[in-house]
Amino acid sequence: KAGVTQTPRYLIKTRGQQVTLSCSPISGHRSVSWYQQTPGQGLQFLFEYFSETQRNKGNFPGRFSGRQFSNSRSEMNVSTLELGDSALYLCASSIDRARVLSSYNEQFFGPGTRLTVL
Amino acid sequence: GQQLNQSPQSMFIQEGEDVSMNCTSSSIFNTWLWYKQDPGEGPVLLIALYKAGELTSNGRLTAQFGITRKDSFLNISASIPSDVGIYFCAGQRYSGAGSYQLTFGKGTKLSVIP
Repeated sequence: KAGVTQTPRYLIKTRGQQVTLSCSPISGHRSVSWYQQTPGQGLQFLFEYFSETQRNKGNFPGRFSGRQFSNSRSEMNVSTLELGDSALYLCASSIDRARVLSSYNEQFFGPGTRLTVL
Repeated sequence: GQQLNQSPQSMFIQEGEDVSMNCTSSSIFNTWLWYKQDPGEGPVLLIALYKAGELTSNGRLTAQFGITRKDSFLNISASIPSDVGIYFCAGQRYSGAGSYQLTFGKGTKLSVIP
């Protein structure tokens, strides 16, 4: 079974631009979560999508947004890029919680998209 | 946002030595998780802990869920070169509407000297 894929793997943008990152979850997984990873702040939760709806959101400004399509693929968008947005953006997918018998709904991470803002 | 206090930040050890790292939090989590991240990759789950006091092993890895539900530790025995990487602890709690949110520590960077 193929893992979580993210495109592109690397991206360079300049301040003020906007960017869209893509995530394809593992087949059959309906939940997609996005995280920002930086050396200073570590891994920070951005948001989670399930069945095309955002059902959880972290503490990030409105410049960060996302969406999920009917095939569970997800995109996140960052508008008006700032230097501090330079980070590794990770996507993680998990199966529908209601179908999992264990008490943890494991999230499988993709390799990330490295965004550099100049 | 909230983060877990993970220590140490980095470790340099000789191959064959045992390693210990831990995480503490000011709030309770229902599940504790330990991940490993290799360069250029996303984190991979190593061990999941579901109950306070639980001690779980996965090969040379052993982890425990603290009794207070506010801490966890990970031990690696007889380290080998492929143990090199960044280890993250994460606490999970239910956020409502079917969503489970992870809060991560800042990681322990492990270097193994052959």
